[in-house]
Amino acid sequence: DQQVKQNSPSLSVQEGRISILNCDYTNSMFDYFLWYKKYPAEGPTFLISISSIKDKNEDGRFTVFLNKSAKHLSLHIVPSQPGDSAVYFCAASYTGTASKLTFGTGTRLQVTL
Amino acid sequence: DAGVIQSPRHEVTEMGQEVTLRCKPISGHDYLFWYRQTMMRGLELLIYFNNNVPIDDSGMPEDRFSAKMPNASFSTLKIQPSEPRDSAVYFCASSLVTSGATDTQYFGPGTRLTVL
Repeated sequence: DQQVKQNSPSLSVQEGRISILNCDYTNSMFDYFLWYKKYPAEGPTFLISISSIKDKNEDGRFTVFLNKSAKHLSLHIVPSQPGDSAVYFCAASYTGTASKLTFGTGTRLQVTL
Repeated sequence: DAGVIQSPRHEVTEMGQEVTLRCKPISGHDYLFWYRQTMMRGLELLIYFNNNVPIDDSGMPEDRFSAKMPNASFSTLKIQPSEPRDSAVYFCASSLVTSGATDTQYFGPGTRLTVL
C-alpha cells in the first residue's frame, strides 16, 4: 500500500517557466513532509521541508505548499533551470517515528532549453 | 566530512550467491537507514538503527535479508541467497536526530545490485 504517491512519473518544463511537482498522501498521521532531489548515480539530497503547522515554506526558487484537508503537497520551482533536471522524491513522517520517512515513487523533471 | 560511504558501488552476482553491502555513516550521526530503490516502488525503507540498535525492520522483505551494525561507524546489509528480483539500487543514509524531531537524512551514493 503506497502511503505517499507521486502520480506523475515525469514532467517536462521549459527553462524559465514554473515547475510544479505534486504529491498525495493517505496517512493522516503524517505531520512532516520533505522533498529530496536525486541526480543519476548519486544518492538523494534534501531540498526543502514543511511541518503540518504551516501551509507554505519557501527557500529561494523552491516553495512547498501543503493542503492538509486534501492530503496534498506540491513543490514549485520558479524559475526552472536546466540544473534542476533530476528525480524529485516526496517523503513524509509523523511524530513518534523520529526520522522514519515514507517516500513516494519519484517524478523525473526535465528542464529544456 | 566525506559523507555517507557505501561499497561496492556496483555488484553483479549470480542467483543463489551471498551479497554483502557496506555502509559507513557520517561521524556523529545516531541513526542509520537502509533503503532499496526500484522503479515500481520508489524508495523503500528496509531497516533502521538508532545507536547501533535495530529499531524497525518491518521493511525487510524476507528472511534472506539481514542487517547488522556492529559499531557506530559501520553497517552491513546481507542477502543470502540472492535472487534476480533483488536487483535494485540500495542506499544507506544517516542522520542526527534532535529532540525526537524528523531530521535531514544524508544519503550515500548507493550500490547498484544486479543478480543474474
